[in-house]
Amino acid sequence: KAGVTQTPRYLIKTRGQQVTLSCSPISGHRSVSWYQQTPGQGLQFLFEYFSETQRNKGNFPGRFSGRQFSNSRSEMNVSTLELGDSALYLCASSLVGGPSYEQYFGPGTRLTVT
Amino acid sequence: KNEVEQSPQNLTAQEGEFITINCSYSVGISALHWLQQHPGGGIVSLFMLSSGKKKHGRLIATINIQEKHSSLHITASHPRDSAVYICAAHLGNQFYFGTGTSLTVIP
Repeated sequence: KAGVTQTPRYLIKTRGQQVTLSCSPISGHRSVSWYQQTPGQGLQFLFEYFSETQRNKGNFPGRFSGRQFSNSRSEMNVSTLELGDSALYLCASSLVGGPSYEQYFGPGTRLTVT
Repeated sequence: KNEVEQSPQNLTAQEGEFITINCSYSVGISALHWLQQHPGGGIVSLFMLSSGKKKHGRLIATINIQEKHSSLHITASHPRDSAVYICAAHLGNQFYFGTGTSLTVIP
């Protein structure tokens, strides 16, 4: 099976712009979670989608949003970018999500905001 | 306050040494995960456990629910084990991550 894929892998944006990142889960996986990783804050949970519905959400402002399509692919959007949004954004998929299922991570999208 | 605390932050070992990384959490959890992150960013899930002990090759993970503590052990360490190891606690509907332990194994 193909692994989790994320596009693009690298992205440079200007402050104030918006950005959309994409994540394709492993075939058959219905849960997709998004994470932000920065040197200062480490890994932080953004949100989880399951069957096209946001099931869980971390403590991020409303500028961070996401959605999931019927084929389980997910997109994450960040509006009005700030310098502090520069980070590695990781998505992970699992069969049904929740604490009992292993997560499989994608390679990440490295976003730089200038 | 961090719900998940990890130690040590950095660890250097000689090849062949036995390594232990510790993770403590402050509240009840549904499950605890150990992750490995290599330079370049890719993350691999090593273990997911809610009780007892799991072993995979040279890696062993244990959890003590009463003491709210988990350990990751690496036996006969090898330079290819050099990576950042992160514990993540599944609390309620969210994941909370430790700050990571950067391990360097010297040949």
